[in-house]
Amino acid sequence: KAGVTQTPRYLIKTRGQQVTLSCSPISGHRSVSWYQQTPGQGLQFLFEYFSETQRNKGNFPGRFSGRQFSNSRSEMNVSTLELGDSALYLCASSYGGEGTGELFFGEGSRLTVL
Amino acid sequence: GDSVTQMEGPVTLSEEAFLTINCTYTATGYPSLFWYVQYPGEGLQLLLKATKADDKGSNKGFEATYRKETTSFHLEKGSVQVSDSAVYFCALSWASSASKIIFGSGTRLSIRP
Repeated sequence: KAGVTQTPRYLIKTRGQQVTLSCSPISGHRSVSWYQQTPGQGLQFLFEYFSETQRNKGNFPGRFSGRQFSNSRSEMNVSTLELGDSALYLCASSYGGEGTGELFFGEGSRLTVL
Repeated sequence: GDSVTQMEGPVTLSEEAFLTINCTYTATGYPSLFWYVQYPGEGLQLLLKATKADDKGSNKGFEATYRKETTSFHLEKGSVQVSDSAVYFCALSWASSASKIIFGSGTRLSIRP
């Protein structure tokens, strides 16, 4: 079956702009999580959505937000972009039950902020 | 707070060499432990996992044993191949928030033919 699909794969923005990234999970998966990957900070958890509700949240400022639709597709938005937001943003999906632990990752959206 | 520490890379080995990538964690209780791998140009993939002390996870010739007494989860492979070249991440999570994974910094592995 199809894997996790993220769009766009690459994008360039300037400081102060906002950006929206999209993630389509594996069919049947109800949980979508977002991670930020940078050379300096590594992989950091942003948030998780399950059944259209945010279930877990990492330690990121309010400029980072997300949502999930009834078909489990998810979007994340970053407003007022800063240079430090340049990163690979990874989306991961899972069935969402407790204790499974296995996430299926997309290839990521690489954001460059100039 | 919870954290994962893994050996820094890059690690360069010759084909058929023995591989060990060290990983230790700091956490209260018994988290689930994982190794994820990121091949060039691909997304992260789960390589193996262990959910309780003394469990051994294994996949594709790789193994790791959950050692509570040393809070470690070292990754080993007896004979590496060029195709094993990738970045390896040690990680932990809790059953109550399984999608909130805490990753180590990653170890880049390069295998010479």
